[in-house]
Amino acid sequence: KAGVTQTPRYLIKTRGQQVTLSCSPISGHRSVSWYQQTPGQGLQFLFEYFSETQRNKGNFPGRFSGRQFSNSRSEMNVSTLELGDSALYLCASSYQDEQFFGPGTRLTVL
Amino acid sequence: DQQVKQNSPSLSVQEGRISILNCDYTNSMFDYFLWYKKYPAEGPTFLISISSIKDKNEDGRFTVFLNKSAKHLSLHIVPSQPGDSAVYFCAASPNSGYALNFGKGTSLLVTP
Repeated sequence: KAGVTQTPRYLIKTRGQQVTLSCSPISGHRSVSWYQQTPGQGLQFLFEYFSETQRNKGNFPGRFSGRQFSNSRSEMNVSTLELGDSALYLCASSYQDEQFFGPGTRLTVL
Repeated sequence: DQQVKQNSPSLSVQEGRISILNCDYTNSMFDYFLWYKKYPAEGPTFLISISSIKDKNEDGRFTVFLNKSAKHLSLHIVPSQPGDSAVYFCAASPNSGYALNFGKGTSLLVTP
């Protein structure tokens, strides 16, 4: 079975721009979660989608949004990028009690 | 507000010895706990979990202990191997595995 895939793997943007990251879960997994990893804050939960509906949401500003498609693929969008948004963005797909993480997208905001 | 804390950013252990990684949490609603291992340039990999109805779970060389009254859990690796060198994250959730709250990680180095 293929693992969780995330595209792109690396991205460089400038302040004020917006960005869209993509995640393809493991086949058959209907839940997709997104996390932000920074050196100062560690791994922080952004949101979780299940069957195209946002089921859980972390404590991030409205500039961070996401969606899930009928094939369970998910995208997250960050608008009006700030320097502090530079991070590794991880996607995880879930089946029962276990979350399987993708390799992440490294976003650098200049 | 960090609800899951890993107070040791790093740990160095000799090959063959026991590695003990510690984790504390503050939210009494957490009832599901996990450990993940992460290598550079890869996503975290699930290692072992424990629910609040248990106080111990074992899987090969890895054992997780949960002390609910102290809001503390630990991961024991016996015997430690150089391939265990990685960053270990403790995570907790108020339900089965979703919306995980992670600690900041402990970097384990196992030396030959």
